[in-house]
Amino acid sequence: DVKVTQSSRYLVKRTGEKVFLECVQDMDHENMFWYRQDPGLGLRLIYFSYDVKMKEKGDIPEGYSVSREKKERFSLILESASTNQTSMYLCAGLDGVRGYTFGSGTRLTVV
Amino acid sequence: ELKVEQNPLFLSMQEGKNYTIYCNYSTTSDRLYWYRQDPGKSLESLFVLLSNGAVKQEGRLMASLDTKARLSTLHITAAVHDLSATYFCAVDKGAQKLVFGQGTRLTINP
Repeated sequence: DVKVTQSSRYLVKRTGEKVFLECVQDMDHENMFWYRQDPGLGLRLIYFSYDVKMKEKGDIPEGYSVSREKKERFSLILESASTNQTSMYLCAGLDGVRGYTFGSGTRLTVV
Repeated sequence: ELKVEQNPLFLSMQEGKNYTIYCNYSTTSDRLYWYRQDPGKSLESLFVLLSNGAVKQEGRLMASLDTKARLSTLHITAAVHDLSATYFCAVDKGAQKLVFGQGTRLTINP
């Protein structure tokens, strides 16, 4: 089975901090995605990447950036964290058979 | 813009009963996914539906896709407590990007 690993389950950061959320996948696939999940809103796509050093904006990219220096690692960056970025963040890799495989999620609280 | 709507959003049912969750979407797509999420956990893939008329079943869950009606259903047969979770449908809007429904929180009571 494909594994997608997010390095932190819970994070608490202060307003204005620069925050890095890390995601590593063990498949040799190019496609990786970052979503945020909020109650009543489902999941919304922030950024995605189809290849190393390639990135595309999703539906809600404002306040975020990403980095893909190696195929297996896709990082989400909050340049200056704000309280409205408190959320659950989910990284996903694309498995051609089963579709997306999600990581365990990072619950970020910005205070 | 693709919109995906699930109903109901909350569902409380008794063990042994049957019920259906509906997923409607607004623009053409030939690929739809169903996921399950337990509290505090990530999303687990249940079904991938790739064509009109596709039907997949696993255990007490069965999913179907009608691309002409832009509708997918997730049918639960003889529910058991272990199926309590939140269920999401997600529609591929192209280039393998998904748009998710709001989720249906299912509670199954003994």
